[in-house]
Amino acid sequence: EDQVTQSPEALRLQEGESSSLNCSYTVSGLRGLFWYRQDPGKGPEFLFTLYSAGEEKEKERLKATLTKKESFLHITAPKPEDSATYLCAVGVSGGYNKLIFGAGTRLAVHP
Amino acid sequence: DGGITQSPKYLFRKEGQNVTLSCEQNLNHDAMYWYRQDPGQGLRLIYYSQIVNDFQKGDIAEGYSVSREKKESFPLTVTSAQKNPTAFYLCASRGTSGNTDTQYFGPGTRLTVL
Repeated sequence: EDQVTQSPEALRLQEGESSSLNCSYTVSGLRGLFWYRQDPGKGPEFLFTLYSAGEEKEKERLKATLTKKESFLHITAPKPEDSATYLCAVGVSGGYNKLIFGAGTRLAVHP
Repeated sequence: DGGITQSPKYLFRKEGQNVTLSCEQNLNHDAMYWYRQDPGQGLRLIYYSQIVNDFQKGDIAEGYSVSREKKESFPLTVTSAQKNPTAFYLCASRGTSGNTDTQYFGPGTRLTVL
């Protein structure tokens, strides 16, 4: 069964304290791994797409990496404005670009 | 400004009523999707459409209906048959040129059953 698990469920950091969020997956045919940021009461905002093991992408304080079984979202020197829920989704091979989402990691960065 | 709009932002429904959620996009995307988000769970797919006048059931389609008469619009009706409709509903679209795998989301509609 295709499955995506994110950990931890919630993470509290001090401003400047770097950390990583994990997304582990089991899918029959991977067609991309996606990271989104979601603020309370808003729709998810696209961050990154990764396709191959070893691939890395960066945007400001965020860096996403991918292995054959998991992805990490590294947050370097976070600021309070990085507080949000981070969603991971995997694309499954098939006819309509199905995405399977994890439940998300709620990140709170305190000054 | 290209993007996806959803309306209304908040919607209240009485028991036994059907309600329709609007989703419009001006990104010229062919594919559109409806998801439901509940606390502590991942987004779940309700319906999707890859082209005008065609749509397919997702994983949790019971109690919902859609139409796709125009490329820009993909409204979702929550019927009285949906047993637990209180949730946050998200519409997404995906292009077919350039980055064809990424789905982009609208701002969402929060539906509450009174």
